[in-house]
Amino acid sequence: EADIYQTPRYLVIGTGKKITLECSQTMGHDKMYWYQQDPGMELHLIHYSYGVNSTEKGDLSSESTVSRIRTEHFPLTLESARPSHTSQYLCAPNHYGYTFGSGTRLTVV
Amino acid sequence: KQEVTQIPAALSVPEGENLVLNCSFTDSAIYNLQWFRQDPGKGLTSLLLIQSSQREQTSGRLNASLDKSSGRSTLYIAASQPGDSATYLCAVNEIGSSNTGKLIFGQGTTLQVKP
Repeated sequence: EADIYQTPRYLVIGTGKKITLECSQTMGHDKMYWYQQDPGMELHLIHYSYGVNSTEKGDLSSESTVSRIRTEHFPLTLESARPSHTSQYLCAPNHYGYTFGSGTRLTVV
Repeated sequence: KQEVTQIPAALSVPEGENLVLNCSFTDSAIYNLQWFRQDPGKGLTSLLLIQSSQREQTSGRLNASLDKSSGRSTLYIAASQPGDSATYLCAVNEIGSSNTGKLIFGQGTTLQVKP
């Protein structure tokens, strides 16, 4: 089972700032995913990766971008945060099932 | 398009009751089905994973069943406790030409177990 780490756990930031949400896993799994969850709402896929140098957009349109330079890291970046980006962001590897991180709760003021 | 539905949306029971949460999905072509627990403001904790070839999985007081042909899964919680209060999410990992390995989530069942 993968150990999955997300930082920061909570983030409050002003409009227009650039932010990077970190996601890392220790087991070397190739497939990794980012989901977005608005309060009280369903989870929707925003990005995924099949391995190093592989990134794809998910079902939910997102202004965020991701990178996969190393297998263990899958960071998500917002170049210019807006209040509409306020949400919870959850990262997970998929290796015969998902193991989610604790998530990052982002508030843009 | 795969759709996942969970019934009921909310459930309140007294401590000690056995209960069943239901999940249905529209396309039976799935790799697996996973049940998660989510506490308020927290991430998702995996409870049980059922592969498409399996009929059920058990962990402690939890038992999940899968009937792929009818597009249904149930999560059975025995002897419920106040600590079981949370939102329970069902998600399917589907097969398909555009298979990305993504999960399709239901809306969740919010459970409250009263002492």
